[in-house]
Amino acid sequence: DAEITQSPRHKITETGRQVTLACHQTWNHNNMFWYRQDLGHGLRLIHYSYGVQDTNKGEVSDGYSVSRSNTEDLPLTLESAASSQTSVYFCASSEGGRDEQFFGPGTRLTVL
Amino acid sequence: RKEVEQDPGPFNVPEGATVAFNCTYSNSASQSFFWYRQDCRKEPKLLMSVYSSGNEDGRFTAQLNRASQYISLLIRDSKLSDSATYLCVVVATGAGSYQLTFGKGTKLSVIP
Repeated sequence: DAEITQSPRHKITETGRQVTLACHQTWNHNNMFWYRQDLGHGLRLIHYSYGVQDTNKGEVSDGYSVSRSNTEDLPLTLESAASSQTSVYFCASSEGGRDEQFFGPGTRLTVL
Repeated sequence: RKEVEQDPGPFNVPEGATVAFNCTYSNSASQSFFWYRQDCRKEPKLLMSVYSSGNEDGRFTAQLNRASQYISLLIRDSKLSDSATYLCVVVATGAGSYQLTFGKGTKLSVIP
């Protein structure tokens, strides 16, 4: 069965370190998304991609970057982790821009 | 006015009750609408799409009112397993892309 996975599921890091969160989907979807979810804010879009070599900034992109070298993967990099980036991160994919998004299980990141 | 607004709840209802959630949106050009369900510490999952004519899936009914710019979700005969947070999602086009906006969610607790 097709799926979307994220790793690691939990990560503790220190302020200033570079961190990369992995997202891998086997749906063969062109569209992939990264969100963060915090209490009181709901899901907020960080970056998204509509295909290989395409990346776009979302609502809260500062301090984050993504790259899309193949259809299956969209890694999210925190260039220099900050305590404000402590959050739960969800990756998602969809077939079309207006279609249902399938979410990964999430990565719980703590920045000390 | 926020783009997508939901009553955060919590809604505490007894088993067997009928409960309704509303979600208002500000962008009149919004094209697609969804209800997602999110269990505690889990990823969001699609509950149902919302069509202009309204749609029903078992105990769940979704409706769209474009004139008043809101969508609704009705749950009949509530079960304990319905306890979750319900997110509304609105899709609009803008700047050459599709923009999904998530509401912050409405928490439902079904009580024995």
